Amino acid sequence: AQTVTQSQPEMSVQEAETVTLSCTYDTSESDYYLFWYKQPPSRQMILVIRQEAYKQQNATENRFSVNFQKAAKSFSLKISDSQLGDAAMYFCAYRRNYGGSQGNLIFGKGTKLSVKP
Amino acid sequence: KAGVTQTPRYLIKTRGQQVTLSCSPISGHRSVSWYQQTPGQGLQFLFEYFSETQRNKGNFPGRFSGRQFSNSRSEMNVSTLELGDSALYLCASSPGSSGGETQYFGPGTRLLVL
Repeated sequence: AQTVTQSQPEMSVQEAETVTLSCTYDTSESDYYLFWYKQPPSRQMILVIRQEAYKQQNATENRFSVNFQKAAKSFSLKISDSQLGDAAMYFCAYRRNYGGSQGNLIFGKGTKLSVKP
Repeated sequence: KAGVTQTPRYLIKTRGQQVTLSCSPISGHRSVSWYQQTPGQGLQFLFEYFSETQRNKGNFPGRFSGRQFSNSRSEMNVSTLELGDSALYLCASSPGSSGGETQYFGPGTRLLVL
């Protein structure tokens, strides 16, 4: 069974600084997708960034970027120039590619990020 | 496009009762997935519906069931509620055509069982 592990229950960063959230996963599959979701205190889960396992290039979305190490099964999220609005729970998620759109998301336990002004 | 909507947003029930939660996906999305979120267990997959058929199911007891209508709206039902069913229930929709597509989440329904 696939598992996702986020080893940092809580992280803190100073406004305008950079922070990296860690995520490791375990799978025997070679074709899958990885996601980072953000859940602010309002509870609406929002996609931050996604990575296709067969692409070696790390995904980036504005201030958010990932470090995808497929052999090490590691998928960390880097947030640059942190803003107060980045404060939230961040979830790492895995989804196996069944060749269609089947396959549920498997989530890590989450990392609570605080941003200090 | 309007986002994923869930009703009701909050519910209080007592043990033994049953409850029905509703989810309206983004227009054009045919896949609806349900997740349970609790402080202890985190986010756990309940089931997924696509074109009115349950396509995938998580490891939850039979008290948890769902269905999807022809307009892609979905409902989930929990019968004989237990205290441990208190949770945030999240619904997510996606087009339903590829494995890498993004699932868009609703705001959730917070269920409290007394």
